[in-house]
Amino acid sequence: TQLLEQSPQFLSIQEGENLTVYCNSSSVFSSLQWYRQEPGEGPVLLVTVVTGGEVKKLKRLTFQFGDARKDSSLHITAAQPGDTGLYLCAGASGGSNYKLTFGKGTLLTVNP
Amino acid sequence: GAVVSQHPSRVICKSGTSVKIECRSLDFQATTMFWYRQFPKQSLMLMATSNEGSKATYEQGVEKDKFLINHASLTLSTLTVTSAHPEDSSFYICSARNSAGYYEQYFGPGTRLTVT
Repeated sequence: TQLLEQSPQFLSIQEGENLTVYCNSSSVFSSLQWYRQEPGEGPVLLVTVVTGGEVKKLKRLTFQFGDARKDSSLHITAAQPGDTGLYLCAGASGGSNYKLTFGKGTLLTVNP
Repeated sequence: GAVVSQHPSRVICKSGTSVKIECRSLDFQATTMFWYRQFPKQSLMLMATSNEGSKATYEQGVEKDKFLINHASLTLSTLTVTSAHPEDSSFYICSARNSAGYYEQYFGPGTRLTVT
């Protein structure tokens, strides 16, 4: 069974601060997705990383896939209250099994 | 693109009754859809994988006779919670994988089920 360890589980910061969320596994993933979910809504796909060492940027969000494709990080620069939400990483093992392995999530609160 | 709708968004039912939740991919074909359950402030728990035209594959511990899944077309999957009990109250979310895409899943807005 593949596991994705996501940390921290809870994070409360002030507007303007930077933060990093980590997802780690002992397993190799063919791709890894990051989602953001607001209360009472479904998760929204932020990014997919596929290649080891890949870095993708989405405005103030920077996503990195580890060289060995076992870990990933999400860095937010100058966080804003609108960034508040549950951040989920999810790894795909590949092949004909399209199931995703989800981390436990990081509940981020950005205080004004 | 990649919009998934879910209906209803909220439902309250009495114990012992059945509830059907619909999941539709609006602008793409989805041979594979997934049903999740989510508890407050927790991650998603996969219940079953639904493949168009075939039986759903259930995760360990999920009762297939209680959570009936039908994936009748490339754009529609339904989850029926049969003989609902208060412990079935939860947030149910579906997702769809774009058959033309990679492994990304696109999620519906969720259905809040309350069983009284």
